[in-house]
Amino acid sequence: GIQVEQSPPDLILQEGANSTLRCNFSDSVNNLQWFHQNPWGQLINLFYIPSGTKQNGRLSATTVATERYSLLYISSSQTTDSGVYFCAVYNNAGNMLTFGGGTRLMVKP
Amino acid sequence: DTGVSQDPRHKITKRGQNVTFRCDPISEHNRLYWYRQTLGQGPEFLTYFQNEAQLEKSRLLSDRFSAERPKGSFSTLEIQRTEQGDSAMYLCASSWAPGGYTFGSGTRLTVV
Repeated sequence: GIQVEQSPPDLILQEGANSTLRCNFSDSVNNLQWFHQNPWGQLINLFYIPSGTKQNGRLSATTVATERYSLLYISSSQTTDSGVYFCAVYNNAGNMLTFGGGTRLMVKP
Repeated sequence: DTGVSQDPRHKITKRGQNVTFRCDPISEHNRLYWYRQTLGQGPEFLTYFQNEAQLEKSRLLSDRFSAERPKGSFSTLEIQRTEQGDSAMYLCASSWAPGGYTFGSGTRLTVV
């Protein structure tokens, strides 16, 4: 099946710093989603992004499907950004997600 | 729109007991999914319903696991004869079309 790899696995930032999280996938995909899992385990949708670039406040994401990667940018990080960021890709039918291993982010005040 | 609700939030059970979890999807969503997440890992797909029909099942879903979605509304996931390896977070998600999942808060199962 498709493989999804995320880097870096762990990231520690000082509040206010910027960061880029990367997601590589092994095969062509129809769609991709970024999630933030908060300390209570809730998976929060960030972006549903098959290709191109989307922005939402301090977060933006870019997917280059032809090159099989996606990037999540976090600018001016805040302590509330801490948690685990997952990239997940959809199968062709759109009914199954394969998740990467996540990037564990800690933002220090 | 109250989101995807899961009950209970936490469950501690003794090895060998049966447990059942419930998921209430967003009301207009006809697709419902179950995932399992072990500590330090990303969620893994278990099964998928479209309305009341169970259309996909992962090989992770052993004979001890069964999921239902009567009338295409809420869903239940039952684990029979629980084992310590079943300890995990069980996540439910729903969507109204392919893609665009919304996840619930999960049920954390601990088997002692």
